[in-house]
Formats: sequence, structure tokens, C-alpha cells
Amino acid sequence: AQSVSQHNHHVILSEAASLELGCNYSYGGTVNLFWYVQYPGQHLQLLLKYFSGDPLVKGIKGFEAEFIKSKFSFNLRKPSVQWSDTAEYFCAFKAAGNKLTFGGGTRVLVKP
Amino acid sequence: GAVVSQHPSRVICKSGTSVKIECRSLDFQATTMFWYRQFPKQSLMLMATSNEGSKATYEQGVEKDKFLINHASLTLSTLTVTSAHPEDSSFYICSATLTATLEQYFGPGTRLTVT
Repeated sequence: AQSVSQHNHHVILSEAASLELGCNYSYGGTVNLFWYVQYPGQHLQLLLKYFSGDPLVKGIKGFEAEFIKSKFSFNLRKPSVQWSDTAEYFCAFKAAGNKLTFGGGTRVLVKP
Repeated sequence: GAVVSQHPSRVICKSGTSVKIECRSLDFQATTMFWYRQFPKQSLMLMATSNEGSKATYEQGVEKDKFLINHASLTLSTLTVTSAHPEDSSFYICSATLTATLEQYFGPGTRLTVT
């Protein structure tokens, strides 16, 4: 069965620290990969996506993610976080069809 | 950008009653919309795929007679929770697919509380 695993449920860090959130998926074929963010009280927003090409993808707000096919991973990174990055982050993938499979989410708290 | 709205944002209903939640794509047409359920501190679980003009496709374990989905136009899908029970209390989120890019845009969610 296809699934997405996010390694950390909660992450707490200080402003200016670097952030890396792990994501691994389980599927043998071609996938499209996504990271979504949900700020407190707001709806899900797309941070970045990978369909094909350069495996290092840059998204909004200084986020980037790297697709490593051999590891079935799509980790999210940001070199220097801000207090406003406090949110919940969801990794997701899409295989055949248009259905998204979401990971369990990681709550990130950035302390000022 | 593409905007998806949901109405209502919050609803409280009594056990045994039915509740309808609307999902609208405000500035684009969506042939496909999705309905998700999000439990507290958990991820989004896909409930069903709503296709304009045809029957919805339900995920395994989701009762189609309990969660009625209607996608009567290219901008509106509705989810009706019939004979609601307290265990149906949850956060329901819809998304709409922009046909040109196949990207999904999410609504703000509807918090349902069944007393």
C-alpha cells in the first residue's frame, strides 16, 4: 500500500536555526511529491512540488526540498527559520490518478 | 491565485440530524474535488473524490450512504453528513483541482461538532 512517513511529529527550534523535516514515501512507481504548510487557523497551502527534472526544488518563503529517488525521500529544508514559520507541515505524494496521500504532519514551533 | 471556500466554517448539530457542507471554487472551474477528514493532531484522510456530473468515488471504509457527495456544477461540491453521531465530529476539508495544472487548492475547512 502506498504511504508517506514523516519522521518527526514535533520540532521546536529557535529563530535563525536551520530546519530539516524528513519525508519518506512508499510506492514503486513514478510519483509527484509535495510539501504543504498549514499556518495556525489557516488552510493548507502549497510550499513546493516535484514532478520531474532537477531533484532540488525551491519553493516559497525560502523553503527547498530534495528528491532522492534511491532513498524514496523528499526532505524539506530551510537554512534559517523565522517565528512566522511556526506551522504544521505535511508531505504528500500523488501516484496514478489525482489522489494525494498525506503524511502524518510535523508541527514546527519556532521560538522568537 | 485559485481560491476555494467552504461554508459553514463551523457547525454544531444534534445527534441524528444531517449537516450539509459546501465547497466552492471561486475563480476557476473544477471537474474534480476531494473531501478530506482531519482528526485532531493527525493528517488528512481522503474520504472521497467528487467528479462533476457523476457519482463520487469513496475510499475504503467510508460509508457512502452516510457521507453524501454531490458535485452538481463545476464550481460546487457538497458533502452531507447524514444522521450525524458524535464520532462524526471532525474537521472536514475540501480541495479543488485546477484542470490546467492538476494542482489541488484547499478550502479553509469546516469544523463539525455533533452533540
